[in-house]
Amino acid sequence: SQQGEEDPQALSIQEGENATMNCSYKTSINNLQWYRQNSGRGLVHLILIRSNEREKHSGRLRVTLDTSKKSSSLLITASRAADTASYFCATVRSSGSARQLTFGSGTQLTVLP
Amino acid sequence: DGGITQSPKYLFRKEGQNVTLSCEQNLNHDAMYWYRQDPGQGLRLIYYSQIVNDFQKGDIAEGYSVSREKKESFPLTVTSAQKNPTAFYLCASSFVADKTGELFFGEGSRLTVL
Repeated sequence: SQQGEEDPQALSIQEGENATMNCSYKTSINNLQWYRQNSGRGLVHLILIRSNEREKHSGRLRVTLDTSKKSSSLLITASRAADTASYFCATVRSSGSARQLTFGSGTQLTVLP
Repeated sequence: DGGITQSPKYLFRKEGQNVTLSCEQNLNHDAMYWYRQDPGQGLRLIYYSQIVNDFQKGDIAEGYSVSREKKESFPLTVTSAQKNPTAFYLCASSFVADKTGELFFGEGSRLTVL
């Protein structure tokens, strides 16, 4: 079964608004990563947060991690039409191979101009 | 420019035929992966390889085969034994020494069985 599950499955907002996506996972992790996928394309790595970190920023992206609740959130501020894509969280388990990521089912974000 | 190249981008196959998807990387990465993505779903790991001439099954390896004869190349064969092969296939790579597991992806190959 999938390690990570994103919520909501789909999100539609107006340009300029903030978009928040959530991810829950089941087992202890080494780190959690967020990826973006434009329609019909490959995935692109956005940001990584380690299990001992609580918050991380990169440009308009803000990621939080709550290991006690086994959850993470991705905030995209001041969204643009070009942010329209699917966003996936992926976890690296703290045990086993650190090179195997487990992906969630994704959130489809639509930013309306 | 460094990156991962997958080919072909689109592929059509008749039932009962084997097809091979190509994946080449010039990032000098040690590890390479194949994932399958079905509509509206996340990625599922088919096979991965951390060194040349060695590979391991992922979560859904049945009906697939791979080889790793060169560091740069990790072709995936979808065999006739794969019952539902129509899907989007993604190849990825990473450094083994980098224990974060961050992946770099190709642009994908879409396989349709007619």
